Amino acid sequence: DTGVSQDPRHKITKRGQNVTFRCDPISEHNRLYWYRQTLGQGPEFLTYFQNEAQLEKSRLLSDRFSAERPKGSFSTLEIQRTEQGDSAMYLCASSFVNLISTDTQYFGPGTRLTVL
Amino acid sequence: GEDVEQSLFLSVREGDSSVINCTYTDSSSTYLYWYKQEPGAGLQLLTYIFSNMDMKQDQRLTVLLNKKDKHLSLRIADTQTGDSAIYFCAVSYSSASKIIFGSGTRLSIRP
Repeated sequence: DTGVSQDPRHKITKRGQNVTFRCDPISEHNRLYWYRQTLGQGPEFLTYFQNEAQLEKSRLLSDRFSAERPKGSFSTLEIQRTEQGDSAMYLCASSFVNLISTDTQYFGPGTRLTVL
Repeated sequence: GEDVEQSLFLSVREGDSSVINCTYTDSSSTYLYWYKQEPGAGLQLLTYIFSNMDMKQDQRLTVLLNKKDKHLSLRIADTQTGDSAIYFCAVSYSSASKIIFGSGTRLSIRP
């Protein structure tokens, strides 16, 4: 399977715990995005990387959230001191962008986080 | 900021055409997308259109863009039970890479 993969698919944690999610983009895609989707809503942008560089962060990304893409391939999203309001589906997407291509984003299956 | 609006529900009879509508506020939108999300799954890119196009057809899917009214529609011909899903309209810009999504339209199929 050469699509975007995410791990784990489901995570249940207690309030106050830290969690980390992983995303593996489509091979050779240079951009990687994180979105959050709550029930009944469309995905909301959190942050994105071009290669290793984190180029934009949403105001939704509080200080408890941190994302990395250390080698320009996979990415991790960590949430510290989780709160019940963090319960959501966390979606990763990747794309390949150059001077002539479009920024068409392909999504992974998501990690569903439940904070008790 | 940008706002993307969609109706929440659409019910159609199997074999009929489905038309899902979307409006957006920012006329500088460059790319406009339709994504499909089945229960428990991620988003599947169905099709997209550049803002300099009026129409795009891809098999059973037809996308119409009315830039003057900032209105985007997705027509699914010969709707089948496998088309049951939530359909998201989304827009992005050449100057920014994030995609702004609508809240989704849940399409249900009647026998």
